[in-house]
Amino acid sequence: SQTIHQWPATLVQPVGSPLSLECTVEGTSNPNLYWYRQAAGRGLQLLFYSVGIGQISSEVPQNLSASRPQDRQFILSSKKLLLSDSGFYLCACHGLAGRYFDDTQYFGPGTRLTVL
Amino acid sequence: KQEVTQIPAALSVPEGENLVLNCSFTDSAIYNLQWFRQDPGKGLTSLLLIQSSQREQTSGRLNASLDKSSGRSTLYIAASQPGDSATYLCAVKRSNNAGNMLTFGGGTRLMVKP
Repeated sequence: SQTIHQWPATLVQPVGSPLSLECTVEGTSNPNLYWYRQAAGRGLQLLFYSVGIGQISSEVPQNLSASRPQDRQFILSSKKLLLSDSGFYLCACHGLAGRYFDDTQYFGPGTRLTVL
Repeated sequence: KQEVTQIPAALSVPEGENLVLNCSFTDSAIYNLQWFRQDPGKGLTSLLLIQSSQREQTSGRLNASLDKSSGRSTLYIAASQPGDSATYLCAVKRSNNAGNMLTFGGGTRLMVKP
């Protein structure tokens, strides 16, 4: 099955500082990749998705950006963090399992971001 | 716009009880429905996936059903155990969705007491 790695696991950053969260995927090729945010007491919000290298779609306007420099690498960034960017960030993927497309969406362990 | 609702938001039961978690969605044009489990501070783990052409899926003590026409799915957990304590989320994938994106419900927080 597909395995997703995220780092760092936790991060505490001051307001106005930059951000870079990384996600890498194993066990599949040419996956669809997703960034979600889960704020305290709230559901999962899809932030970005990517169907290929360099192809990024944004679901909501925000202070964040995403990039996909390699097939199995997805990066979430910000130039200046806001207090409202605090939350639990999850990377997910959807891709091939052998010759067939696996309909299951797999999630990484998440990054807990606290902006002070 | 697809909306997914899960009821109840929280549930506490004694160990050994059979229980049902509910998920409803407003647009029946779905490709599939997935149930996930999330432990505190962790990522999501896929439990069951039901394709739109299927009525149910089973894995161990878990059984998920899908009634697409009425926009409902249920997750049945048999003989609940304290280790089942977690948040359970359902998510639907739209048909003709090039990005394979999911719409999630708010989750049901389950506590099974020993």
